[in-house]
Amino acid sequence: AQSVAQPEDQVNVAEGNPLTVKCTYSVSGNPYLFWYVQYPNRGLQFLLKYITGDNLVKGSYGFEAEFNKSQTSFHLKKPSALVSDSALYFCAVRDEYKLSFGAGTTVTVRA
Amino acid sequence: SAVISQKPSRDICQRGTSLTIQCQVDSQVTMMFWYRQQPGQSLTLIATANQGSEATYESGFVIDKFPISRPNLTFSTLTVSNMSPEDSSIYLCSVPQGTYTEAFFGQGTRLTVV
Repeated sequence: AQSVAQPEDQVNVAEGNPLTVKCTYSVSGNPYLFWYVQYPNRGLQFLLKYITGDNLVKGSYGFEAEFNKSQTSFHLKKPSALVSDSALYFCAVRDEYKLSFGAGTTVTVRA
Repeated sequence: SAVISQKPSRDICQRGTSLTIQCQVDSQVTMMFWYRQQPGQSLTLIATANQGSEATYESGFVIDKFPISRPNLTFSTLTVSNMSPEDSSIYLCSVPQGTYTEAFFGQGTRLTVV
């Protein structure tokens, strides 16, 4: 089965600083990888995906992610974090017809 | 992208009762998914609802506890039966986009069982 791991439960950064949320994957074959964000009392919102092609993927709200095949990683990044980026972030991988999610990383951006 | 409406958005229920959650999509989709997110945890797939056939349940989930209906290509319901406090979770409806790459989610139903 395909799976992803998010090694950090929490990430804390100051506003304006770079933000990185880590994700590693374990798949057989080519991975379909995704990032989602969940704001309090809200559903999941799709941020970006990697299917094939350029290893640097750009998504919504200024986020981007870098696919690294040798390190089996798909880290989410934002060059300058905002307080409004504080939320719960999930990495996910397509596993047959469904998505398998990581445990989630809570991001707190302090003013 | 699909627009997904989920009802109710939240509810507080007595143990031993049942709650039916509705999911309406603004376009026809073959597959609809139901996920559970327990407090402080990740999302776990409960079942896949296909129109015209029985739902497919993941390991650890059974039809008697989580019956699902899929009467047409835009609508599905999930019932949480004989609830206990352990069923307190967020339940989310999801539909795939395009050739089953990313998925879109409803706003979720926050269920509290007392």
